[in-house]
Amino acid sequence: TQLLEQSPQFLSIQEGENLTVYCNSSSVFSSLQWYRQEPGEGPVLLVTVVTGGEVKKLKRLTFQFGDARKDSSLHITAAQPGDTGLYLCAGELSGTYKYIFGTGTRLKVLA
Amino acid sequence: KAGVTQTPRYLIKTRGQQVTLSCSPISGHRSVSWYQQTPGQGLQFLFEYFSETQRNKGNFPGRFSGRQFSNSRSEMNVSTLELGDSALYLCASSFSALGDTEAFFGQGTRLTVV
Repeated sequence: TQLLEQSPQFLSIQEGENLTVYCNSSSVFSSLQWYRQEPGEGPVLLVTVVTGGEVKKLKRLTFQFGDARKDSSLHITAAQPGDTGLYLCAGELSGTYKYIFGTGTRLKVLA
Repeated sequence: KAGVTQTPRYLIKTRGQQVTLSCSPISGHRSVSWYQQTPGQGLQFLFEYFSETQRNKGNFPGRFSGRQFSNSRSEMNVSTLELGDSALYLCASSFSALGDTEAFFGQGTRLTVV
């Protein structure tokens, strides 16, 4: 059973388009992180959200944590080829030390 | 400061053999977690060590084991290798626990079992 489901699984868009990636669970998370991973490399942390309803912006990226801390979204404005990569959400199940990753969204931005 | 170092980067082993992978966390980080990444299953949590103690374990068979040394360096061992163990093995280090503080990943060890 996958506790963190991401959608879409794959996304191919043109440069300049906007997109949203979703991370959903039926479990509550103490906090949630978003990572980006490029081929042959380990994931790199983009952001951490902790409070339900929290919104964080990182340049063209906007991250939101659901009010109930069970879901999150990543919105990219005016995507660029450099945004290409595997986006992963991850979080610690509330009350445990178990840290799990989402199923991943593979994004390709075409020039 | 130096990042998380995993060795070796690439490894080819034969079915039935055993393998040991190494992870050196960032200086001062006491938590080391291990993950297996495959195209079909994504990133799967193996186990997490903090101050030489295994704090949590994922749903992997007993063939997968690990340990952490007093200097926080960690090793992961897989015995009786199977073809399905072929994967990218990643370790992550953080000051206290993933999710509490910023986590940093190594580049991974790509294991191929033939």
